[in-house]
Amino acid sequence: DAKTTQPNSMESNEEEPVHLPCNHSTISGTDYIHWYRQLPSQGPEYVIHGLTSNVNNRMASLAIAEDRKSSTLILHRATLRDAAVYYCILKFGPYGGATNKLIFGTGTLLAVQP
Amino acid sequence: NAGVMQNPRHLVRRRGQEARLRCSPMKGHSHVYWYRQLPEEGLKFMVYLQKENIIDESGMPKERFSAEFPKEGPSILRIQQVVRGDSAAYFCASSPASGRVSYEQYFGPGTRLTVT
Repeated sequence: DAKTTQPNSMESNEEEPVHLPCNHSTISGTDYIHWYRQLPSQGPEYVIHGLTSNVNNRMASLAIAEDRKSSTLILHRATLRDAAVYYCILKFGPYGGATNKLIFGTGTLLAVQP
Repeated sequence: NAGVMQNPRHLVRRRGQEARLRCSPMKGHSHVYWYRQLPEEGLKFMVYLQKENIIDESGMPKERFSAEFPKEGPSILRIQQVVRGDSAAYFCASSPASGRVSYEQYFGPGTRLTVT
């Protein structure tokens, strides 16, 4: 499985934007970029995913570099509730089979200061 | 629409006992995944199941662990003769059937197993 590299930790202030980077220089053409987060003492939560184009949803935006070797998860206005570990994961698409598993790295621990 | 349900939320077992963890996927989801998170460690994939089939068990320990997802009822992760090293949070996730492109997985709240 292709590997991702994320900073161990980041800090943000409440109500400010947060840009969480992820490097994936060995990404293949069929890998989708997924982001999940895990709040303290909870199960992981899907945030967003994309293939080539930038994506937006109610939780966040995903900006994907043109060469797809890196991506950035953008939280437009951080809240205290966004404090979590954020995981950037490459997952083979588009169909099922043995490659449906998620391979979690160590992620980025985001701290949000009031 | 209820999310993924796991029970029990907390389970205490003595060494040598059996642990049974249950997972009910979201309505309409026919794919189930189990992950384990050891204390102070990351999430590790264990097994991927569809109804009555194990698709990928590459992350399952070779002994004492088994999983099933019967035609009716929840998915069960079974740990026989538990040891202290099995103490962890076990998360179940589900996703819709194949056909959607790179669909997301929805996780349950986890079962925290403590072996004394």
